[in-house]
Amino acid sequence: ELKVEQNPLFLSMQEGKNYTIYCNYSTTSDRLYWYRQDPGKSLESLFVLLSNGAVKQEGRLMASLDTKARLSTLHITAAVHDLSATYFCAVNRGSRLTFGEGTQLTVNP
Amino acid sequence: NAGVTQTPKFQVLKTGQSMTLQCAQDMNHEYMSWYRQDPGMGLRLIHYSVGAGITDQGEVPNGYNVSRSTTEDFPLRLLSAAPSQTSVYFCASSYLSGRVYEQYFGPGTRLTVT
Repeated sequence: ELKVEQNPLFLSMQEGKNYTIYCNYSTTSDRLYWYRQDPGKSLESLFVLLSNGAVKQEGRLMASLDTKARLSTLHITAAVHDLSATYFCAVNRGSRLTFGEGTQLTVNP
Repeated sequence: NAGVTQTPKFQVLKTGQSMTLQCAQDMNHEYMSWYRQDPGMGLRLIHYSVGAGITDQGEVPNGYNVSRSTTEDFPLRLLSAAPSQTSVYFCASSYLSGRVYEQYFGPGTRLTVT
């Protein structure tokens, strides 16, 4: 059974600080997705990581994938309030996704 | 394109009632899925379809039925609602682009069962 675990589940940070969200998964996969969800909204795609060592960056967010360790990270640089949201990682099984529990990020002024 | 649409946006049911959550996509996507989202549990797959006429169970299928008579529509039926089915339901459609399944999520249906 594929399991996807994120940590931390809750993250409160100050503006301007850096932090990393971790996503571990239990079986081999070379496709990992990161999503953002604002309260009461649907999911917004952030990154798709396709191979070992893949790194993608968009603004203050950078995601990486280590398929050998079955680990993906989402690094936040110099956080701003607008990044407050819940972040999910998800792993592919065919067209279906198995999601982590989500990390609720709050960025405080 | 309207993308993925879901109706209703909100619904309150009494225990034992049945209802259908509607999902439609106008992008001609082959794949469609239903997920439920509960606090602290991420999204969990209920049922999915890899094409018209083909459906299969996901992680939490009990109490739900689906059908896929057309490419566009993928309704989710609650047979006899229970309070444990109180959740937010997301429908998604996707297609394979190279090695990536490009996923499109609907806006969600918030269901409360009393």
